[in-house]
Amino acid sequence: DGGITQSPKYLFRKEGQNVTLSCEQNLNHDAMYWYRQDPGQGLRLIYYSQIVNDFQKGDIAEGYSVSREKKESFPLTVTSAQKNPTAFYLCASSMNPETAPLHFGNGTRLTVT
Amino acid sequence: KQEVTQIPAALSVPEGENLVLNCSFTDSAIYNLQWFRQDPGKGLTSLLLIQSSQREQTSGRLNASLDKSSGRSTLYIAASQPGDSATYLCAVYTSGTYKYIFGTGTRLKVLA
Repeated sequence: DGGITQSPKYLFRKEGQNVTLSCEQNLNHDAMYWYRQDPGQGLRLIYYSQIVNDFQKGDIAEGYSVSREKKESFPLTVTSAQKNPTAFYLCASSMNPETAPLHFGNGTRLTVT
Repeated sequence: KQEVTQIPAALSVPEGENLVLNCSFTDSAIYNLQWFRQDPGKGLTSLLLIQSSQREQTSGRLNASLDKSSGRSTLYIAASQPGDSATYLCAVYTSGTYKYIFGTGTRLKVLA
C-alpha cells in the first residue's frame, strides 16, 4: 500500500543533542512538508520541498534543517539551537497541492529533557 | 497574511445528531480548502478537498461547502456516530504561498 512512513514513533533525546526524524513516501509525490503540532496551536509549517534538491523555510524553520536528495525521502534534523523541540512532528506530501489532497504520516513524538 | 479560524473549539453531541463544524479564513485567494480528521496521537486523514471553483463536496455522511467570497467553509456530518469522535481540522492552500495554513481544529465527541 502507498503511504508515508515516519520513524520512529517516539523519540527521546537529551538537551543539546541533534536528532533526525525520518520521512519516507512511496506515493511518487513531488511536494513534501514538515509540520510541528503543539497543543492548542494547530499545525505550523517548518520546511517544505516542491521538488528534489530544493526546499524552502516555512514559518518556524529556526533550529531545524532538512534535505531532499531523493524524491521519496525528506528527513528533518532538530538541532540543539531549537529552543523548545518537544512536540509532535508530522510529515506530509502531495502530488500537486493546488489540486490534490495532502497525505500525512502518523507522526513522531519527540521529547527532549 | 492568511489566518484560519475554527469554531467551536470543542463540541459534544449525542449519537444520531446532525452537526456542523465551521471554518473561516481571511484571504479569499485560495486554490483549495481541505478538511481533515485526526485521532489522538495519529496523523491527519484527508476527508474532503474543495477546489476554489467548487461550492461543495460530499463523501458518505460528510458534506463540505465553500463560500470563497465570505471566507467560510462548513463541514456537515449527518447522523453522527461515536466513531466520528476525533479532532477535525480545515486547511487552505493560498495562491502564491505554496503552503497550507491550518486552523486549530474542533474536537468532537459523539456520545453513545
